[in-house]
Amino acid sequence: TQLLEQSPQFLSIQEGENLTVYCNSSSVFSSLQWYRQEPGEGPVLLVTVVTGGEVKKLKRLTFQFGDARKDSSLHITAAQPGDTGLYLCAGVGGHGGTSYGKLTFGQGTILTVHP
Amino acid sequence: DADVTQTPRNRITKTGKRIMLECSQTKGHDRMYWYRQDPGLGLRLIYYSFDVKDINKGEISDGYSVSRQAQAKFSLSLESAIPNQTALYFCATSDSRDSGNTIYFGEGSWLTVV
Repeated sequence: TQLLEQSPQFLSIQEGENLTVYCNSSSVFSSLQWYRQEPGEGPVLLVTVVTGGEVKKLKRLTFQFGDARKDSSLHITAAQPGDTGLYLCAGVGGHGGTSYGKLTFGQGTILTVHP
Repeated sequence: DADVTQTPRNRITKTGKRIMLECSQTKGHDRMYWYRQDPGLGLRLIYYSFDVKDINKGEISDGYSVSRQAQAKFSLSLESAIPNQTALYFCATSDSRDSGNTIYFGEGSWLTVV
């Protein structure tokens, strides 16, 4: 069974601060996805990182995939109240084995950005 | 209209009752999933189906069953509901031709077992 440890579980910050959320595993994933979920809705995909060492930027959000494809981070610069929500990382199982094509989710990070 | 539709959106049921959650999709995807979300535990996979004739157990399938009635429909049943099955349930879809394996989620179904 593949596991993803996501931290921190809760993050409460002031508008304008920077933050980083981490996802770590002992397993290798073929790719890693980050989702954002708002109350009353399902998770929505933000980004997929595929290559070890890959860095993707989405406005103020920077996503990084570890060289060994076992870990990832999400960094938000100058957080805004609109960034408030639940952030989930999810690893996609690679070829071979019983996890192929399936997602393993981290526990989630509840981010609150205060004005 | 949502591409992945779940019914009911909210349900309160009694212990021991049978409950079915239904999911339909208009995305034309071949793969469908049922996840359960609990605070602090993220989303956990209950069952998944990679095509109409394919049904597979996820990590927490005990106490649940599923039926893939058509490519567009995937239902989840709790044969005899118990209180620790109180959770938010999500149906999801993906396309096997999508190399990025993007998962598209429904809006969720809140189930409370009393």
